[in-house]
Amino acid sequence: RKEVEQDPGPFNVPEGATVAFNCTYSNSASQSFFWYRQDCRKEPKLLMSVYSSGNEDGRFTAQLNRASQYISLLIRDSKLSDSATYLCVVQPGGSYIPTFGRGTSLIVHP
Amino acid sequence: GAGVSQSPSNKVTEKGKDVELRCDPISGHTALYWYRQSLGQGLEFLIYFQGNSAPDKSGLPSDRFSAERTGGSVSTLTIQRTQQEDSAVYLCASSLGTSVMYEQYFGPGTRLTVT
Repeated sequence: RKEVEQDPGPFNVPEGATVAFNCTYSNSASQSFFWYRQDCRKEPKLLMSVYSSGNEDGRFTAQLNRASQYISLLIRDSKLSDSATYLCVVQPGGSYIPTFGRGTSLIVHP
Repeated sequence: GAGVSQSPSNKVTEKGKDVELRCDPISGHTALYWYRQSLGQGLEFLIYFQGNSAPDKSGLPSDRFSAERTGGSVSTLTIQRTQQEDSAVYLCASSLGTSVMYEQYFGPGTRLTVT
């Protein structure tokens, strides 16, 4: 089992749709969780951190389920500009090396 | 302020040649990471520098790969005797530190093509 697994997609959704991605991780000692966004042929950029209590930033909501070892990202009211690859990042406690998933591709069409 | 910069942005080299890739982190960032990303693959950790500590080289795929960081700032990743499988985008990232997971700021990457 890979350390961090994501459905590569692509998720093809119309503008205004709600879409959700999951990411599973294998290391139960993982302590830090993040979602990064990567546009085509660009560098990754932090989208949001994922806290135990879940967190929301505008149209984006991230959740952590430790029991089932997955994190999720929900995007509401999708915009064309949301089209990108979303990378799940997991870091074990005491480690300074994050593990990146391969990413989930999202395409928002008019 | 200035972000992470990398040079060159593109590099085409012949198999067997050596290449040097450069990374200028954000000023004041003590942690510096190198990753590589092959087409359709996730980011693969290569090496990590933190302040004056010995680097963590656990991700380097072979002894043809090496990296150094001078004066706690600029870093150079060197690949000797390049092979076609080394073709990838090499990304550098810096962060304020690692006592907690600070945000990593990535450079635009160097796209390496080995012919």
